[in-house]
Amino acid sequence: NAGVMQNPRHLVRRRGQEARLRCSPMKGHSHVYWYRQLPEEGLKFMVYLQKENIIDESGMPKERFSAEFPKEGPSILRIQQVVRGDSAAYFCASSQEYGYTFGSGTRLTVV
Amino acid sequence: QKEVEQDPGPLSVPEGAIVSLNCTYSNSAFQYFMWYRQYSRKGPELLMYTYSSGNKEDGRFTAQVDKSSKYISLFIRDSQPSDSATYLCAMSGNAGNNRKLIWGLGTSLAVNP
Repeated sequence: NAGVMQNPRHLVRRRGQEARLRCSPMKGHSHVYWYRQLPEEGLKFMVYLQKENIIDESGMPKERFSAEFPKEGPSILRIQQVVRGDSAAYFCASSQEYGYTFGSGTRLTVV
Repeated sequence: QKEVEQDPGPLSVPEGAIVSLNCTYSNSAFQYFMWYRQYSRKGPELLMYTYSSGNKEDGRFTAQVDKSSKYISLFIRDSQPSDSATYLCAMSGNAGNNRKLIWGLGTSLAVNP
């Protein structure tokens, strides 16, 4: 059981570029959650997806951010036209019932 | 006021000490309470999961939930240097849109040999 796999582990983007973060949930898990972690703010919910459906995106910024979880393949968190304030650790978690399993995160640095 | 309050510490204890960590919350709709441990540069790892009020024990770890006081605790007995990490409380309501977790900021713990 490989656990929740996130890649890349580290991502550096220049302002204005696009960032794509990928998450493969644990085998058999059909719920995926994305969280963002900043040092002074803690973990903040962004979006909750099931296969091919966005269930709750109340934590997603209205612009530049999008997420998908296709029928086949990993979940993708996409950030367009990145700005310095997007620099953070982005964690993906998957669950079958309660008790999330988190990936190791992608650390995005915008320069 | 934040929905979940957690003292960030840092907390420093000698090896073998009993550690007490706690969180308070304001939303009475929360039913599920969790404690996670996060090592530096890693994702949070689930330690304890409790539904509604009561106690739950797992090895050296005991989780307590007091819904009447909106207060949850994690106790670590016989603490070890390997327990040095950030401990995060998290909670949520029922299914549907309430599956998202609301987090405390985390308490940094150092267990000194």
